[in-house]
Amino acid sequence: GAGVSQSPSNKVTEKGKDVELRCDPISGHTALYWYRQSLGQGLEFLIYFQGNSAPDKSGLPSDRFSAERTGGSVSTLTIQRTQQEDSAVYLCASSLGGTPAYEQYFGPGTRLTVT
Amino acid sequence: GQQLNQSPQSMFIQEGEDVSMNCTSSSIFNTWLWYKQDPGEGPVLLIALYKAGELTSNGRLTAQFGITRKDSFLNISASIPSDVGIYFCAGLGYGGSQGNLIFGKGTKLSVKP
Repeated sequence: GAGVSQSPSNKVTEKGKDVELRCDPISGHTALYWYRQSLGQGLEFLIYFQGNSAPDKSGLPSDRFSAERTGGSVSTLTIQRTQQEDSAVYLCASSLGGTPAYEQYFGPGTRLTVT
Repeated sequence: GQQLNQSPQSMFIQEGEDVSMNCTSSSIFNTWLWYKQDPGEGPVLLIALYKAGELTSNGRLTAQFGITRKDSFLNISASIPSDVGIYFCAGLGYGGSQGNLIFGKGTKLSVKP
């Protein structure tokens, strides 16, 4: 498919466990973003990768959250020692990057439930 | 920080009606985007606006970038059942990270019972 893909689609984990969420951006898109969407809320920015530049981590809520992007393509969002308040849908988006276009295309998300 | 106020929070539509929603901010934005999200899916880009005053259409959808750069509206004409969903506005402000879109909390469109 040509769109952004994310895996797994659903993840249930116990409090205190670590989880990894994966994102495959659209081929050729240099920019990749992670967002969190809590029930009935808008999207909360987490982190942004653009090419080989240092990522913008300003949205990460705590040091339990980290993300990496290997080879300028696939990205993994890791949440360590998960807490119940981490339960949300985690959305990944990609774009061509650069100015002036910031049109971001989203994946279907990973629904994380921490029990 | 920059925030977007999106209204209404929810609305009910009857097939054939026109629908209007808007986003406002106390901050200036230099790009406005409108997305639609269906249940269990990620948001899908509907319209992107880059210039103050710009009016752009996509089928039955029309969006405008306000002259003051602090607001935008989305109109849906002659609504149909598949228009149901949650609509989000998003803005890219000045001075922030190039990737950091600020999202409104969404307008939920439902069908009138």
